[in-house]
Amino acid sequence: GENVEQHPSTLSVQEGDSAVIKCTYSDSASNYFPWYKQELGKRPQLIIDIRSNVGEKKDQRIAVTLNKTAKHFSLHITETQPEDSAVYFCAASGGNTGFQKLVFGTGTRLLVSP
Amino acid sequence: DTGVSQDPRHKITKRGQNVTFRCDPISEHNRLYWYRQTLGQGPEFLTYFQNEAQLEKSRLLSDRFSAERPKGSFSTLEIQRTEQGDSAMYLCASTLPQGPYGYTFGSGTRLTVV
Repeated sequence: GENVEQHPSTLSVQEGDSAVIKCTYSDSASNYFPWYKQELGKRPQLIIDIRSNVGEKKDQRIAVTLNKTAKHFSLHITETQPEDSAVYFCAASGGNTGFQKLVFGTGTRLLVSP
Repeated sequence: DTGVSQDPRHKITKRGQNVTFRCDPISEHNRLYWYRQTLGQGPEFLTYFQNEAQLEKSRLLSDRFSAERPKGSFSTLEIQRTEQGDSAMYLCASTLPQGPYGYTFGSGTRLTVV
């Protein structure tokens, strides 16, 4: 089945810096890649997603890039703010894993220092 | 609040007891999912329903676990003869029929087995 690896596990940046989180997936047939933000004690919330027919998607300070050939995708956060501090999860769906369920990475704890 | 609701938020139980959790999805979402999240890990898929039909179950869902969605509305997840390894956050999510896009997660039920 699908396997999603996520790096780094922790990331510390200064306010205003950029942050990049990378994920790789194993099933070349996967076709949907969302990113979730989870603050302590709260629910995972979708922040951005990308489908396999595009290579990049942006939403204000957040962008996701997808390289289907290399089977990896990345989350880019620019001009980071303390409120960006949270755990971020990538996920993959589709292909042999099945279209409905998401396979998540192990998460990246982002700490943005003022 | 018109999001996904889960009850209870926290449950502490003694090993060997049975527990039941409830999830109320967003009303127009006919797909409902259960995930389990342990500390420091991403959510892991357990099962999902389309309306009242349970369409897929993970191998993680042992015989002690059962999920139902009578009438295609709310869902319950029951764990019989709880074990300490069942301690986790149990997350429910729902989506529209179009697929896994835009999962909306509930706040989860945190189970502690003592």
